[in-house]
Amino acid sequence: DAGVIQSPRHEVTEMGQEVTLRCKPISGHNSLFWYRQTMMRGLELLIYFNNNVPIDDSGMPEDRFSAKMPNASFSTLKIQPSEPRDSAVYFCASSPSRGDWSYEQYFGPGTRLTVT
Amino acid sequence: GESVGLHLPTLSVQEGDNSIINCAYSNSASDYFIWYKQESGKGPQFIIDIRSNMDKRQGQRVTVLLNKTVKHLSLQIAATQPGDSAVYFCAERMIYNQGGKLIFGQGTELSVKP
Repeated sequence: DAGVIQSPRHEVTEMGQEVTLRCKPISGHNSLFWYRQTMMRGLELLIYFNNNVPIDDSGMPEDRFSAKMPNASFSTLKIQPSEPRDSAVYFCASSPSRGDWSYEQYFGPGTRLTVT
Repeated sequence: GESVGLHLPTLSVQEGDNSIINCAYSNSASDYFIWYKQESGKGPQFIIDIRSNMDKRQGQRVTVLLNKTVKHLSLQIAATQPGDSAVYFCAERMIYNQGGKLIFGQGTELSVKP
Protein backbone atom coordinates (compact mmCIF):
# COMPACT_ATOMS: atom_id res chain seq x y z
CA ASP A 1 0.00 0.00 0.00
CA ALA A 2 1.63 3.24 -1.17
CA GLY A 3 -0.32 5.46 1.17
CA VAL A 4 -1.48 8.95 0.32
CA ILE A 5 0.82 10.53 -2.25
CA GLN A 6 1.42 14.26 -2.43
CA SER A 7 3.45 16.28 -4.88
CA PRO A 8 5.54 18.28 -4.90
CA ARG A 9 7.11 17.70 -1.47
CA HIS A 10 8.59 21.18 -1.47
CA GLU A 11 7.57 24.25 -3.43
CA VAL A 12 9.21 27.66 -3.40
CA THR A 13 7.54 30.36 -5.42
CA GLU A 14 7.33 34.11 -5.68
CA MET A 15 4.39 36.15 -4.53
CA GLY A 16 1.75 36.44 -7.23
CA GLN A 17 2.51 33.10 -8.86
CA GLU A 18 0.02 30.27 -9.18
CA VAL A 19 0.69 27.20 -7.07
CA THR A 20 -0.88 23.78 -7.62
CA LEU A 21 -0.60 21.03 -5.03
CA ARG A 22 -1.53 17.48 -5.94
CA CYS A 23 -2.84 14.51 -4.03
CA LYS A 24 -3.51 10.87 -4.81
CA PRO A 25 -5.61 9.26 -2.08
CA ILE A 26 -5.39 5.62 -1.05
CA SER A 27 -7.23 3.44 -3.53
CA GLY A 28 -10.75 2.66 -2.38
CA HIS A 29 -10.99 5.60 0.01
CA ASN A 30 -14.01 7.75 -0.71
CA SER A 31 -13.28 10.84 1.42
CA LEU A 32 -10.45 13.27 0.84
CA PHE A 33 -9.36 16.17 3.07
CA TRP A 34 -7.01 19.13 2.55
CA TYR A 35 -5.36 20.65 5.63
CA ARG A 36 -2.96 23.51 6.22
CA GLN A 37 -0.50 23.49 9.12
CA THR A 38 1.32 26.53 10.48
CA MET A 39 2.88 27.37 13.80
CA MET A 40 0.44 30.23 14.22
CA ARG A 41 -2.80 28.36 13.55
CA GLY A 42 -1.99 24.69 13.96
CA LEU A 43 -3.71 22.11 11.72
CA GLU A 44 -6.69 23.60 9.90
CA LEU A 45 -9.15 21.79 7.64
CA LEU A 46 -9.52 23.66 4.37
CA ILE A 47 -11.98 21.50 2.43
CA TYR A 48 -13.13 17.93 2.16
CA PHE A 49 -14.71 15.78 -0.51
CA ASN A 50 -16.93 12.74 -0.28
CA ASN A 51 -17.22 10.60 -3.42
CA ASN A 52 -15.48 13.41 -5.36
CA VAL A 53 -18.07 16.00 -4.29
CA PRO A 54 -17.03 18.97 -2.10
CA ILE A 55 -18.94 18.68 1.18
CA ASP A 56 -17.49 21.43 3.35
CA ASP A 57 -15.26 24.25 2.09
CA SER A 58 -15.82 26.57 5.04
CA GLY A 59 -12.13 26.42 5.91
CA MET A 60 -10.93 27.76 2.56
CA PRO A 61 -9.40 31.11 3.51
CA GLU A 62 -10.46 33.18 0.52
CA ASP A 63 -11.21 33.11 -3.17
CA ARG A 64 -7.54 32.72 -4.03
CA PHE A 65 -7.85 29.10 -2.90
CA SER A 66 -9.67 26.47 -4.94
CA ALA A 67 -9.78 22.68 -4.86
CA LYS A 68 -10.97 20.08 -7.32
CA MET A 69 -11.41 16.35 -7.34
CA PRO A 70 -12.05 15.30 -10.95
CA ASN A 71 -11.96 11.59 -10.11
CA ALA A 72 -11.57 9.22 -7.18
CA SER A 73 -7.79 9.02 -7.52
CA PHE A 74 -6.74 12.65 -7.86
CA SER A 75 -7.26 16.03 -6.24
CA THR A 76 -5.65 19.45 -6.58
CA LEU A 77 -5.43 22.48 -4.34
CA LYS A 78 -4.67 25.67 -6.21
CA ILE A 79 -3.60 29.07 -4.89
CA GLN A 80 -3.79 31.97 -7.34
CA PRO A 81 -2.25 34.42 -6.74
CA SER A 82 -0.03 33.18 -3.93
CA GLU A 83 1.00 35.43 -1.03
CA PRO A 84 3.74 35.07 1.61
CA ARG A 85 1.12 34.36 4.30
CA ASP A 86 0.19 31.19 2.39
CA SER A 87 3.53 29.67 3.41
CA ALA A 88 2.71 26.50 5.32
CA VAL A 89 2.72 22.73 5.11
CA TYR A 90 -0.30 21.44 3.22
CA PHE A 91 -1.51 17.94 3.99
CA CYS A 92 -3.87 15.72 2.10
CA ALA A 93 -5.64 12.89 3.92
CA SER A 94 -8.05 10.20 2.82
CA SER A 95 -10.54 8.04 4.64
CA PRO A 96 -12.48 4.91 3.72
CA SER A 97 -16.15 4.30 4.25
CA ARG A 98 -15.97 1.06 6.18
CA GLY A 99 -19.43 1.05 7.67
CA ASP A 100 -18.03 0.89 11.21
CA TRP A 101 -17.69 3.68 13.72
CA SER A 102 -14.13 4.76 12.91
CA TYR A 103 -13.35 8.01 11.11
CA GLU A 104 -9.60 7.46 10.88
CA GLN A 105 -7.91 9.62 8.28
CA TYR A 106 -4.66 8.62 6.57
CA PHE A 107 -2.33 11.54 6.00
CA GLY A 108 0.17 12.10 3.23
CA PRO A 109 3.71 13.41 3.82
CA GLY A 110 2.70 17.00 3.09
CA THR A 111 3.85 19.73 0.73
CA ARG A 112 5.97 22.47 2.28
CA LEU A 113 5.10 25.71 0.48
CA THR A 114 7.25 28.80 0.77
CA VAL A 115 6.06 32.00 -0.91
CA THR A 116 8.68 34.75 -1.07
CA GLY B 1 7.79 42.36 12.25
CA GLU B 2 8.50 39.13 14.02
CA SER B 3 5.72 36.57 13.96
CA VAL B 4 4.78 34.75 17.10
CA GLY B 5 3.88 31.12 16.80
CA LEU B 6 1.90 28.81 18.97
CA HIS B 7 3.78 27.64 22.03
CA LEU B 8 2.86 24.02 22.25
CA PRO B 9 2.47 22.50 25.68
CA THR B 10 5.49 20.33 26.29
CA LEU B 11 5.81 17.14 28.28
CA SER B 12 9.25 15.83 29.12
CA VAL B 13 9.61 12.29 30.44
CA GLN B 14 12.39 9.85 31.18
CA GLU B 15 12.74 6.80 28.95
CA GLY B 16 10.87 3.90 30.49
CA ASP B 17 8.42 6.07 32.41
CA ASN B 18 4.73 6.28 31.55
CA SER B 19 3.45 9.40 29.76
CA ILE B 20 0.04 11.00 30.04
CA ILE B 21 -1.01 13.56 27.46
CA ASN B 22 -4.19 15.47 28.13
CA CYS B 23 -6.74 17.09 25.85
CA ALA B 24 -9.80 19.18 26.63
CA TYR B 25 -12.36 19.03 23.87
CA SER B 26 -14.87 21.69 23.09
CA ASN B 27 -18.21 20.19 22.20
CA SER B 28 -20.47 17.92 24.21
CA ALA B 29 -22.04 16.85 20.89
CA SER B 30 -18.83 15.16 19.77
CA ASP B 31 -19.27 11.43 19.29
CA TYR B 32 -15.81 10.29 18.24
CA PHE B 33 -12.25 11.09 19.28
CA ILE B 34 -8.88 10.20 17.86
CA TRP B 35 -5.19 10.61 18.71
CA TYR B 36 -2.47 11.27 16.16
CA LYS B 37 1.31 11.35 16.45
CA GLN B 38 3.32 13.68 14.25
CA GLU B 39 7.07 13.33 13.95
CA SER B 40 9.16 16.17 12.58
CA GLY B 41 8.81 16.50 8.82
CA LYS B 42 6.06 13.89 8.54
CA GLY B 43 2.30 13.77 8.34
CA PRO B 44 0.16 12.87 11.36
CA GLN B 45 -0.03 9.15 12.04
CA PHE B 46 -3.01 7.39 13.66
CA ILE B 47 -2.48 6.05 17.17
CA ILE B 48 -5.86 5.12 18.62
CA ASP B 49 -9.50 6.19 18.56
CA ILE B 50 -12.53 5.94 20.82
CA ARG B 51 -16.25 6.39 20.50
CA SER B 52 -18.28 8.51 22.91
CA ASN B 53 -20.09 5.48 24.33
CA MET B 54 -16.75 4.13 25.63
CA ASP B 55 -14.71 5.25 28.64
CA LYS B 56 -11.47 3.48 27.82
CA ARG B 57 -9.76 1.75 24.94
CA GLN B 58 -6.40 0.05 24.84
CA GLY B 59 -3.89 -0.53 22.09
CA GLN B 60 -0.31 -1.63 22.04
CA ARG B 61 1.40 0.37 24.83
CA VAL B 62 -1.28 3.06 24.55
CA THR B 63 -4.56 3.67 26.36
CA VAL B 64 -7.12 6.38 25.67
CA LEU B 65 -9.45 7.52 28.45
CA LEU B 66 -12.57 9.58 27.87
CA ASN B 67 -14.35 11.58 30.57
CA LYS B 68 -17.46 13.07 29.02
CA THR B 69 -18.54 14.77 32.23
CA VAL B 70 -15.64 17.20 32.07
CA LYS B 71 -14.99 16.87 28.31
CA HIS B 72 -11.53 15.49 28.82
CA LEU B 73 -9.51 13.00 26.80
CA SER B 74 -6.14 11.54 27.72
CA LEU B 75 -3.55 9.38 26.03
CA GLN B 76 -1.38 7.16 28.18
CA ILE B 77 1.83 5.73 26.78
CA ALA B 78 3.43 2.92 28.75
CA ALA B 79 7.19 2.51 28.99
CA THR B 80 7.88 5.58 26.88
CA GLN B 81 10.68 5.19 24.35
CA PRO B 82 12.84 7.76 22.51
CA GLY B 83 10.89 6.93 19.35
CA ASP B 84 7.75 8.26 21.02
CA SER B 85 9.16 11.80 20.89
CA ALA B 86 6.75 13.73 18.67
CA VAL B 87 3.81 16.12 18.74
CA TYR B 88 0.55 14.46 19.73
CA PHE B 89 -2.82 15.76 18.55
CA CYS B 90 -6.29 14.92 19.74
CA ALA B 91 -9.22 15.45 17.40
CA GLU B 92 -12.99 15.25 17.73
CA ARG B 93 -15.86 14.62 15.37
CA MET B 94 -19.06 16.50 16.06
CA ILE B 95 -22.16 14.40 15.63
CA TYR B 96 -23.93 16.93 13.43
CA ASN B 97 -21.05 17.10 10.96
CA GLN B 98 -21.49 15.35 7.71
CA GLY B 99 -19.06 12.56 7.09
CA GLY B 100 -15.76 12.36 8.86
CA LYS B 101 -14.79 15.97 9.49
CA LEU B 102 -12.36 16.15 12.43
CA ILE B 103 -11.48 19.19 14.52
CA PHE B 104 -7.88 19.07 15.74
CA GLY B 105 -6.44 20.46 18.96
CA GLN B 106 -3.22 22.45 19.02
CA GLY B 107 -1.03 19.51 20.02
CA THR B 108 1.35 18.57 22.83
CA GLU B 109 5.04 18.03 22.28
CA LEU B 110 6.43 14.94 24.01
CA SER B 111 10.16 14.83 24.64
CA VAL B 112 11.70 11.58 25.87
CA LYS B 113 15.03 11.80 27.66
CA PRO B 114 17.29 8.74 27.33
